[in-house]
Amino acid sequence: AQKITQTQPGMFVQEKEAVTLDCTYDTSDPSYGLFWYKQPSSGEMIFLIYQGSYDQQNATEGRYSLNFQKARKSANLVISASQLGDSAMYFCAMREGSGGFKTIFGAGTRLFVKA
Amino acid sequence: DGGITQSPKYLFRKEGQNVTLSCEQNLNHDAMYWYRQDPGQGLRLIYYSQIVNDFQKGDIAEGYSVSREKKESFPLTVTSAQKNPTAFYLCASSIGMPGHQPQHFGDGTRLSIL
Repeated sequence: AQKITQTQPGMFVQEKEAVTLDCTYDTSDPSYGLFWYKQPSSGEMIFLIYQGSYDQQNATEGRYSLNFQKARKSANLVISASQLGDSAMYFCAMREGSGGFKTIFGAGTRLFVKA
Repeated sequence: DGGITQSPKYLFRKEGQNVTLSCEQNLNHDAMYWYRQDPGQGLRLIYYSQIVNDFQKGDIAEGYSVSREKKESFPLTVTSAQKNPTAFYLCASSIGMPGHQPQHFGDGTRLSIL
């Protein structure tokens, strides 16, 4: 069965520094996609970045990059130059290629950015 | 602007009452989803629909029901059989294929018991 694990309930980072949020996953499907979403205190979910299982390079989107280590089944999110507005919950999610449209989410990591 | 609209933003349920949460999208997406989020936790899938007039149970479907009569609409009914309905409910949609397309979310509905 597919599974997503985020082991960091909360993280602190100083403004302007980089931070890594951990995500490990478990699947037997060779085709899958990994997503990261941000949830501010207002509640909406904001898509940040995507990594496909067959992608050769790590995904990047502005200040967000994904450290994809396929053999270790990890897909860590790196946020560079943290801003106060980055304070939020961050969720890692996975969709298996054979699983149709079903997407599962991790428990999330709450990030606090300090001024 | 295209997006997903959930209503109401806040909803209160009395004991033994069924309540319906609305979700409408104008993104022309085939797939729609309902998630439940409890405080400090991740999202758990209640139901999802890949096409009109078809839907599948997610991981926590008991006490909930859905319909998908139109592509744009995917209402969720929280029935009296759901004994602990207090939570934040999120509706999402996505392009049916390819699989790398992310889900788009509404702003959510907070449901509480009176």
